Amino acid sequence: AQTVTQSQPEMSVQEAETVTLSCTYDTSENNYYLFWYKQPPSRQMILVIRQEAYKQQNATENRFSVNFQKAAKSFSLKISDSQLGDTAMYFCAFMKQWGGGGADGLTFGKGTHLIIQP
Amino acid sequence: DAGVIQSPRHEVTEMGQEVTLRCKPISGHNSLFWYRQTMMRGLELLIYFNNNVPIDDSGMPEDRFSAKMPNASFSTLKIQPSEPRDSAVYFCASSSQGANSPLHFGNGTRLTVT
Repeated sequence: AQTVTQSQPEMSVQEAETVTLSCTYDTSENNYYLFWYKQPPSRQMILVIRQEAYKQQNATENRFSVNFQKAAKSFSLKISDSQLGDTAMYFCAFMKQWGGGGADGLTFGKGTHLIIQP
Repeated sequence: DAGVIQSPRHEVTEMGQEVTLRCKPISGHNSLFWYRQTMMRGLELLIYFNNNVPIDDSGMPEDRFSAKMPNASFSTLKIQPSEPRDSAVYFCASSSQGANSPLHFGNGTRLTVT
């Protein structure tokens, strides 16, 4: 079974600062996918960024980027130029590769509550 | 596309009553997932379907919980009888074929059992 650990229950930074959220995972799988989801107070789950384990290049999406260290089983999220709208719960998630013509479920960490202060 | 549609958005019921949560996945998606979110346990996968067939229901907490997917555009999660500890937000999510396809979540149903 896979486990995902987010060691920072809450973080607070000033607007425009850069913040890094940490995530580690444990798995015996070699092929898998990693995701960061954002959950604002509206409780909607929004995909922020994803990373395929076989890719060495770190994924980026505008102000969001990851630092993927496969050997260390680490998958941190960096948010640059943070904005008030970035305030939300952030969940790291793991999905193993499934070859059955469908998808496997996501295993989530417990989340980090990120607060962007004006 | 309208996204994953869940109903109702809120449900308040009394202990012992039957509760049915509904989900319409995104058209064309062949995988559907039910999750439960609580403060104590976070997001837990309850069950998921591929091509309308249940693949893994090991996350279903008890026999009081059941899920069906009679066709590609509809799924239900039923709790009978409901208990106060079932109070949580229940999410439905769907994804298209391919293991790297991200899950698209509905807005969730907040269930309160009194």
